[in-house]
Amino acid sequence: DQQVKQNSPSLSVQEGRISILNCDYTNSMFDYFLWYKKYPAEGPTFLISISSIKDKNEDGRFTVFLNKSAKHLSLHIVPSQPGDSAVYFCAASSTTSGTYKYIFGTGTRLKVLA
Amino acid sequence: GAVVSQHPSRVICKSGTSVKIECRSLDFQATTMFWYRQFPKKSLMLMATSNEGSKATYEQGVEKDKFLINHASLTLSTLTVTSAHPEDSSFYICSASKGNYGYTFGSGTRLTVV
Repeated sequence: DQQVKQNSPSLSVQEGRISILNCDYTNSMFDYFLWYKKYPAEGPTFLISISSIKDKNEDGRFTVFLNKSAKHLSLHIVPSQPGDSAVYFCAASSTTSGTYKYIFGTGTRLKVLA
Repeated sequence: GAVVSQHPSRVICKSGTSVKIECRSLDFQATTMFWYRQFPKKSLMLMATSNEGSKATYEQGVEKDKFLINHASLTLSTLTVTSAHPEDSSFYICSASKGNYGYTFGSGTRLTVV
């Protein structure tokens, strides 16, 4: 049972344009979400997070939007740069569980074309 | 701050042998460490949660006797793949938490069993 889903395995965007990566979750107990970026043969690096008490969090070129009623979050990257090409994972956790355990989505491979 | 070192980065071993992977938090004490496995083009699959001073909690479907986890100190967790077989070949990643929802990942270990 995949509790966190990223339905687009890949995405290609022109440099300078907006990249929108989507993530859906099924567990209503999830209340903390993160986005990670991963290059091949490396560990993921943290990008941005959002708590369920917010519907938007912004950090530079990265903005995460959360729609709790739809159980959907998205990561916007604008403007997209070739260095953003990587696999992006969303992850979700339930802070009330006390386990600090995250469930990861399947990832979306972003390719930014120069 | 919050650096996690994972060693080795790559290992090739013969079928039937055991391999130990180390995960160290370099500049903080990690009350909880997590071990993930990533199959090609797949999500990060949580294998187990490692708590300092207590037994690891394994996810459903993960063999405890196959993947031995030891979290002997607040800065070190080890994953030992016992009697490795070619199907154990994968990318293993650890992450560490200070006891909140801030995760830091190691750089990963590429295991190849021949």
